[in-house]
Amino acid sequence: KQEVTQIPAALSVPEGENLVLNCSFTDSAIYNLQWFRQDPGKGLTSLLLIQSSQREQTSGRLNASLDKSSGRSTLYIAASQPGDSATYLCAVRANDYKLSFGAGTTVTVRA
Amino acid sequence: GAGVSQSPRYKVAKRGQDVALRCDPISGHVSLFWYQQALGQGPEFLTYFQNEAQLDKSGLPSDRFFAERPEGSVSTLKIQRTQQEDSAVYLCASSRTSGGGLETQYFGPGTRLLVL
Repeated sequence: KQEVTQIPAALSVPEGENLVLNCSFTDSAIYNLQWFRQDPGKGLTSLLLIQSSQREQTSGRLNASLDKSSGRSTLYIAASQPGDSATYLCAVRANDYKLSFGAGTTVTVRA
Repeated sequence: GAGVSQSPRYKVAKRGQDVALRCDPISGHVSLFWYQQALGQGPEFLTYFQNEAQLDKSGLPSDRFFAERPEGSVSTLKIQRTQQEDSAVYLCASSRTSGGGLETQYFGPGTRLLVL
């Protein structure tokens, strides 16, 4: 069974600092890896999707890298803002549809 | 356009009650998924539909859990004889086609179930 771990579980930084969120997975036979954002009481919003053949994806201030062989992904958020405060979830897809999630990293950006 | 919607948003049930949770996927989406998210944890896969066919129900925790999608659009997750351990957020997601590596799943806001 695929196990997905996210470290740290929580993170608090001052506004403007860069964020580094880590995700590791046990089975490297994946189709893709996705990073989601979850706000309290709301559903998941997809941020970035990296195919297994890719090394990284970028969207605005967000950059995600993937090292499939070592079972790791990192999400970088540049110049953090208070609006970035949320829980960030990493999910891997090992077949055509099933997502396996980590427990998330809860981020607080202090103004 | 409209996203995935779920109702009710909150449900409080007494232990032993039956509950029904509804999911309206994005119009025309073929695939529909249910996930269970316990407090402080990531979502866990429950079941998957392709149109009206339930292709995978391997994540349903017990035979008290039942899901259906009779016309290939709206889906209902039913929990019979609820137990306290069923308390969680139930998330529904849909995707445009029948899966594949490029597909993203679009999530609804979830139904928060509390069993007393």
